[in-house]
Amino acid sequence: DADVTQTPRNRITKTGKRIMLECSQTKGHDRMYWYRQDPGLGLRLIYYSFDVKDINKGEISDGYSVSRQAQAKFSLSLESAIPNQTALYFCATSDPSTDTQYFGPGTRLTVL
Amino acid sequence: GQNIDQPTEMTATEGAIVQINCTYQTSGFNGLFWYQQHAGEAPTFLSYNVLDGLEEKGRFSSFLSRSKGYSYLLLKELQMKDSASYLCAARWRKLQFGAGTQVVVTP
Repeated sequence: DADVTQTPRNRITKTGKRIMLECSQTKGHDRMYWYRQDPGLGLRLIYYSFDVKDINKGEISDGYSVSRQAQAKFSLSLESAIPNQTALYFCATSDPSTDTQYFGPGTRLTVL
Repeated sequence: GQNIDQPTEMTATEGAIVQINCTYQTSGFNGLFWYQQHAGEAPTFLSYNVLDGLEEKGRFSSFLSRSKGYSYLLLKELQMKDSASYLCAARWRKLQFGAGTQVVVTP
């Protein structure tokens, strides 16, 4: 079984809709992350959480919010989706000693 | 912010060697990662260098020079399955990824 899972894997939605992407991990790590990936721009950090009570903005947090429901669960919400949020979204968890990131399979989101 | 530079694309022949360079800002640097990412898939961890020198893992090796702000990933005996994007990521207070180098392996 995969250590980091994401649902849904693909989603097409319309401008203005609220969308939630979910992530679960079984690695037992406290640290979790949400990234988006766009062609030519690499991975950019949206939000991260170092434990259940800790939430931090990344470099591109505008238009997004997160919830850390438990050590194993970290969800990303788009309150009102817009077309430039069309991207591949990855959840990750990290080894606290080295910060090695372990990624989920990704969610491909298309906003029309 | 900190910058990471790596080439956009490299092409090499099956069985050959390819070296992917990565440069980064040295101030506050704590370590450097290399990840492999096949199209449409998640990045997977390849290596982590903290100290200067070369670390070898089978066909893949990674080198770091902290004073020069320079790393490279060396792929030997290239196989078709090595066609992928290779991401350099540097750790300062936070981790930052480069845009990736697309390696195309031709027959």
